[in-house]
Amino acid sequence: ELKVEQNPLFLSMQEGKNYTIYCNYSTTSDRLYWYRQDPGKSLESLFVLLSNGAVKQEGRLMASLDTKARLSTLHITAAVHDLSATYFCAVGDSNYQLIWGAGTKLIIKP
Amino acid sequence: NAGVTQTPKFRVLKTGQSMTLLCAQDMNHEYMYWYRQDPGMGLRLIHYSVGEGTTAKGEVPDGYNVSRLKKQNFLLGLESAAPSQTSVYFCASSRGPPVTRHYEQYFGPGTRLTVT
Repeated sequence: ELKVEQNPLFLSMQEGKNYTIYCNYSTTSDRLYWYRQDPGKSLESLFVLLSNGAVKQEGRLMASLDTKARLSTLHITAAVHDLSATYFCAVGDSNYQLIWGAGTKLIIKP
Repeated sequence: NAGVTQTPKFRVLKTGQSMTLLCAQDMNHEYMYWYRQDPGMGLRLIHYSVGEGTTAKGEVPDGYNVSRLKKQNFLLGLESAAPSQTSVYFCASSRGPPVTRHYEQYFGPGTRLTVT
């Protein structure tokens, strides 16, 4: 059974700092997704990582995938308040299903 | 394009009542999904559909039924609501499966359901 674990589950940080969110999963998969959810809102796709060593960047966010370690990271560079949200990773379990992490609630203080 | 829409946005039910949540998408997607989101637990898949007229069970299907009579619509039914079904329900759609290809899922705005 595929399990997906994120850590930390809660992160409060100051603007301008760097930090990394980790997503570990328990069985082989080479499809990993990162989503963002603002409070009371829906989920928005950020990145799709398709293969070992994949790296994608958009603005201050960079995601990477290490399929051998079963680990993905979401790195935040020089955080700004607008990045405050809950971030989810999700991993493909079968052809049709994604298994989701519990989410990392990120609060960035001015 | 409206993308994925959900009706209603909020609902309060009493235990034992029934209701249907409607999901509609205008992206001509084959795959549609119903999830529930509970605090600290991420998203859990209730049911999904890989095309018109097909449905399948996800991780937490008990107490729910679904139908996909038209490609653009996916209905989630609660026949006899229970307090444990208090949650936020999200519908999503995608062009194809998330694993064999890399089709991302597009989400609706959610329905907040409270069962008292």
